[in-house]
Amino acid sequence: DAKTTQPNSMESNEEEPVHLPCNHSTISGTDYIHWYRQLPSQGPEYVIHGLTSNVNNRMASLAIAEDRKSSTLILHRATLRDAAVYYCILKMGGTYKYIFGTGTRLKVLA
Amino acid sequence: NAGVTQTPKFQVLKTGQSMTLQCAQDMNHEYMSWYRQDPGMGLRLIHYSVGAGITDQGEVPNGYNVSRSTTEDFPLRLLSAAPSQTSVYFCASSLGASQPQHFGDGTRLSIL
Repeated sequence: DAKTTQPNSMESNEEEPVHLPCNHSTISGTDYIHWYRQLPSQGPEYVIHGLTSNVNNRMASLAIAEDRKSSTLILHRATLRDAAVYYCILKMGGTYKYIFGTGTRLKVLA
Repeated sequence: NAGVTQTPKFQVLKTGQSMTLQCAQDMNHEYMSWYRQDPGMGLRLIHYSVGAGITDQGEVPNGYNVSRSTTEDFPLRLLSAAPSQTSVYFCASSLGASQPQHFGDGTRLSIL
């Protein structure tokens, strides 16, 4: 199964952009890249997902490297409410299996 | 909108007891799954279902049973609870295989 690697923790100042990296060097051609976040004492929340092209939605942007071996979640203006654990997940192509890693704990400083 | 509803929110069991964690969704989602999350860890997939009558194993299925008799419900059964099953359990559902998952608020289970 393809795995993802993320930094354990990151810090950002409020109102500044945040770039959360994810390495997935063993990704296969049909694996989707998903990002979820988990606020304290809550279930995970969907953020964004993509396959090959960069994606934007109201919450964030997802930049996918041309070789698909890495991706970056971009929060354009971090707020205190964005403090959470962010998970980069590969969904195995053709299945419903999501393999979570340990994620990146984002701390936002006021 | 109720979304994904998990019951109970908290439960304490003794080793060897059995119980069922309930999960219901009102979004007519075909896909449902169960995860466990141990302290400081990410989520690990226990079982999942791609539709009524169809279930499959995830990463850590041992000690757990599931069934999917209706689209709405996906209960998780612990047949003989063990302390190693102390965890927070999350249920999720989605409209399709590559569609966003919607998670419940979790069940915090302690086994003594």
